[in-house]
Amino acid sequence: QVQLVESGGGLVKPGGSLRLSCAASGFTFSDYYMSWIRQAPGKGLEWVSYISSSGSTIYYADSVKGRFTISRDNAKNSLYLQMNSLRAEDTAVYYCAREWAVGATFDYWGQGTLVTVSS
Amino acid sequence: QSVLTQPPSASGTPGQRVTISCSGSSSNIGSNTVNWYQQLPGTAPKLLIYSNNQRPSGVPDRFSGSKSGTSASLAISGLQSEDEADYYCATWDDSLNGPVFGGGTKLTVL
Repeated sequence: QVQLVESGGGLVKPGGSLRLSCAASGFTFSDYYMSWIRQAPGKGLEWVSYISSSGSTIYYADSVKGRFTISRDNAKNSLYLQMNSLRAEDTAVYYCAREWAVGATFDYWGQGTLVTVSS
Repeated sequence: QSVLTQPPSASGTPGQRVTISCSGSSSNIGSNTVNWYQQLPGTAPKLLIYSNNQRPSGVPDRFSGSKSGTSASLAISGLQSEDEADYYCATWDDSLNGPVFGGGTKLTVL
């Protein structure tokens, strides 16, 4: 069965860095676009970034552009999000999600990992 | 401020039919298909409706979606207590070059 397991969240000071990972299993990882989507405490969903199946196409939300970097290792069935220059407003649960079809069609989600940016 | 506009709350009694609206613009709903997600308390979102009105395997036919112009709707008939959740619409935005979500609607079953 399809599984997405995020890790790497935690408490970090403003201006700090964190690297999130998402381990995928149960499907051919290299066939799918993948995204990171976040949810601030008590708030709605916000798309952060996506990467094409080969890694050749990448997009970011304006709110994270220049600070976050998405990548993937298809040999390791893993998705990553390098987060630098973190701000308080980046505090959220970060989900990795499989994009089944182009256009915000996320058919599988991980359980999420909490990132807290606070001094 | 979300790109797609949803009412913050909705409610209904068991057995009732409720609808949740989602309003966008020509660069998102007007030119792309709409998906709906259900998020039960403390869990990750789950794909509920895709391509405006298609249900993934396992989703009851009590849930239906529609789209007209720059708006979309999710309808839930035969409301059940387990339907109490947050519901989000989502689509691609051609101007932003990425997916956009509605602010979410909290459904309460009275």
